[in-house]
Amino acid sequence: DTEVTQTPKHLVMGMTNKKSLKCEQHMGHRAMYWYKQKAKKPPELMFVYSYEKLSINESVPSRFSPECPNSSLLNLHLHALQPEDSALYLCASSSPGQGPSGAYEQYFGPGTRLTVT
Amino acid sequence: AQSVAQPEDQVNVAEGNPLTVKCTYSVSGNPYLFWYVQYPNRGLQFLLKYITGDNLVKGSYGFEAEFNKSQTSFHLKKPSALVSDSALYFCAVRDPGRGTYKYIFGTGTRLKVLA
Repeated sequence: DTEVTQTPKHLVMGMTNKKSLKCEQHMGHRAMYWYKQKAKKPPELMFVYSYEKLSINESVPSRFSPECPNSSLLNLHLHALQPEDSALYLCASSSPGQGPSGAYEQYFGPGTRLTVT
Repeated sequence: AQSVAQPEDQVNVAEGNPLTVKCTYSVSGNPYLFWYVQYPNRGLQFLLKYITGDNLVKGSYGFEAEFNKSQTSFHLKKPSALVSDSALYFCAVRDPGRGTYKYIFGTGTRLKVLA
């Protein structure tokens, strides 16, 4: 099973709402990622978890709050978002590793299309 | 700083013709290079990677890429394009300075295969 699932597929929320995005993988990957992607642009890294610990936070505003409850699940909690946060949010996973043998590819989910009104 | 460049925003090719999508990189140390494809409203799909060894890497769906160290390039190729290959293609490099987890993506190249 090489699938990363994300729910919901689409989300419309107001600027005062609180919502969560969910991501799940069962490939045994111990690195999980959140990316933000605007139309026709490359993905921008937001957060990385390695072995359920936050490894990278790319200076993301605090209105985005990641959580990794276990090795298969990754959540992104959203609160008080701005219209400019509207984008496709992608989750990815990979095997972590060091050196040449550890340069593993990422597996991406289909994304959540978020619209902030 | 580590970076990848995709010099073409769009590449048009006739069905059945060979295609090339260009990527150049700038990294310190050994580059770990990847190609991904993205169809509309979908996530990215891994196509192939170069880590070490043979400069010609074969991947999914008949794609291959050639690593050229002297030209710092990693161009994606396919001998015969299909209309279904039309999509957005991203080249990526792993940033060794950020451990195993920071991957830098190029700006993307839209491939359009004309019937």
